[in-house]
Formats: sequence, structure tokens, C-alpha cells
Amino acid sequence: TQLLEQSPQFLSIQEGENLTVYCNSSSVFSSLQWYRQEPGEGPVLLVTVVTGGEVKKLKRLTFQFGDARKDSSLHITAAQPGDTGLYLCRGGGGSYIPTFGRGTSLIVHP
Amino acid sequence: AAGVIQSPRHLIKEKRETATLKCYPIPRHDTVYWYQQGPGQDPQFLISFYEKMQSDKGSIPDRFSAQQFSDYHSELNMSSLELGDSALYFCASSLGQDVLDEQYFGPGTRLTVT
Repeated sequence: TQLLEQSPQFLSIQEGENLTVYCNSSSVFSSLQWYRQEPGEGPVLLVTVVTGGEVKKLKRLTFQFGDARKDSSLHITAAQPGDTGLYLCRGGGGSYIPTFGRGTSLIVHP
Repeated sequence: AAGVIQSPRHLIKEKRETATLKCYPIPRHDTVYWYQQGPGQDPQFLISFYEKMQSDKGSIPDRFSAQQFSDYHSELNMSSLELGDSALYFCASSLGQDVLDEQYFGPGTRLTVT
């Protein structure tokens, strides 16, 4: 089993602030996904990164895959209350056992 | 676009009863995963199937079993229910040969055991 660690575990910020969430592992992944989950709903896939050093942007969200494909970061610029949710990273392709990080719970206050 | 369908969306059972949760993957997806998510926790992997065969097993209790049928839908059978089984149960599907290994989640079934 490949362990993914996410930090911080909790984040409470004001609207307009910037934030970064980290996803780290000692294992190499073929791909890494970021999901956002709202209470009572299923996780929604935000992005998949596959190439070491890759950067993908989704509006105010910037995702980066580490050069060694062991870690990733999610940066949100000018956070909005609608960004509130649980952000999960998942390593793909490196193991038959689906591996999720513990998640970062983000609250953006208006 | 068609998404993963789960039924029922809500289920209330008493202790020691049985429950069956159903999952219909996205068309053409051949891989199904089951997850259990307790309050304030991340999804815990239970079991997965690829082409109707069990592909991996996570922290699934012996009281639970699952299978994938010829039409690729899957069912999670839960027996001798305990209060601690109360949780959200998610099914996800993916295309097994997809190198991106992306999973798409259903809306979940909220199981309450009383």
C-alpha cells in the first residue's frame, strides 16, 4: 500500500486569500488525481497529472506534479466560499490498491 | 454525460439485518471500486472488480461481500449489520485500460444502522 500524506489537514481562511495544499508520498505514481468533495456527495475529479513537473491550471486552481512524481500541490488563488470542501489526492497506476490521502478540509469564509 | 449511478441513495436498517447496495458504472467502464466513508473521514477502499473479477481487496469486513455482473454493474452485500457500519458508501468506476487511472464517483448511498 502506498501512503499519501496531505497537509494541512484543516484550513480556514477568508475569501480572497491564497492557499496551497500538499500531497506527498515516498512512492512514485504513474498519475495523480485531485478530487473535491462536498458534504454528503461523492468526490468529483478535478484534474489528473501524469508528467513529472507538469503544471495544470483550472481557473483559479493550479496543480503541480513533482519532478519525481512522488508529490503534488494544489494552489488556489483568491479563494471563494464556493471552494469550500474536502480536497483529496489519489495516486494512480502505481498500485492495484486505490490510495487516497487523508484529505484537506477547506473552509472559505465570506 | 452519463455518470455513476448508485441505489438506493438512503437506506435505514436495524442491527443484524442485511443490506444490498447497487452500483451502475459509467458506460464502457469495466472497473468498479467500493469505498466506505465515515463522518469526517476520507474514503476507505473496500474492494474492486475488473472485468467481473475481484481485482483487489481493502479493508472490507468478512460480513461484506461484493460482485460484478456481466453488465458490469456491481452489488455490495452487507450482512449482520452493526452500528459502526453507518456511513456513506461510494462506488467509483474507471476504464481499466486507461493509463490515467481516473476514477469517477457516484453520489453515494447513506446507510444508517439503528
